[in-house]
Amino acid sequence: EDQVTQSPEALRLQEGESSSLNCSYTVSGLRGLFWYRQDPGKGPEFLFTLYSAGEEKEKERLKATLTKKESFLHITAPKPEDSATYLCAVRGVGGTYKYIFGTGTRLKVLA
Amino acid sequence: AAGVIQSPRHLIKEKRETATLKCYPIPRHDTVYWYQQGPGQDPQFLISFYEKMQSDKGSIPDRFSAQQFSDYHSELNMSSLELGDSALYFCASSLGGMGDEQFFGPGTRLTVL
Repeated sequence: EDQVTQSPEALRLQEGESSSLNCSYTVSGLRGLFWYRQDPGKGPEFLFTLYSAGEEKEKERLKATLTKKESFLHITAPKPEDSATYLCAVRGVGGTYKYIFGTGTRLKVLA
Repeated sequence: AAGVIQSPRHLIKEKRETATLKCYPIPRHDTVYWYQQGPGQDPQFLISFYEKMQSDKGSIPDRFSAQQFSDYHSELNMSSLELGDSALYFCASSLGGMGDEQFFGPGTRLTVL
């Protein structure tokens, strides 16, 4: 069964303190891995799509990487406005349309 | 840029009542997805439509039904509401039958009393 596990569940960082979030996945065939940011009570906001091991994507202070078993979201010199829940989702091959989401990492960046 | 529109944004219903949630996808997007997110939980896939046909089905209760119309908007109909149906309901859309990136709407917060 396809499964996504994110760690840690929660993370508190000081402003400027870099760190990484982990997304481990098991899927019969990976079509894509997706990172989203979600603020409380709002819809997930798309960040990145990764398709194959070794791929990397960057956006401002965020960088996402992918291996055959996991993905990392690296946050460099975070700011308080980066505080949010970061969700990882996978989509398998074989004609399925749905995402399987992880439970997310709640990030709090302190000024 | 235009985003996914959902209405209503908030809805309060009594047990055993019915509710209808609407979703208007990003223009030119032809695929719509519905997700349910309980407090502190990850979004759970309910159902999706591509070109007005059901394309995938997840953990959608039999009390719920959905459809996609000719203008690509979608409606989620929920009957015999239960307390446990209280959640955020998100609609997402993508371009193309297997379009990878799903763009989410702001959600409808359903409260069942």
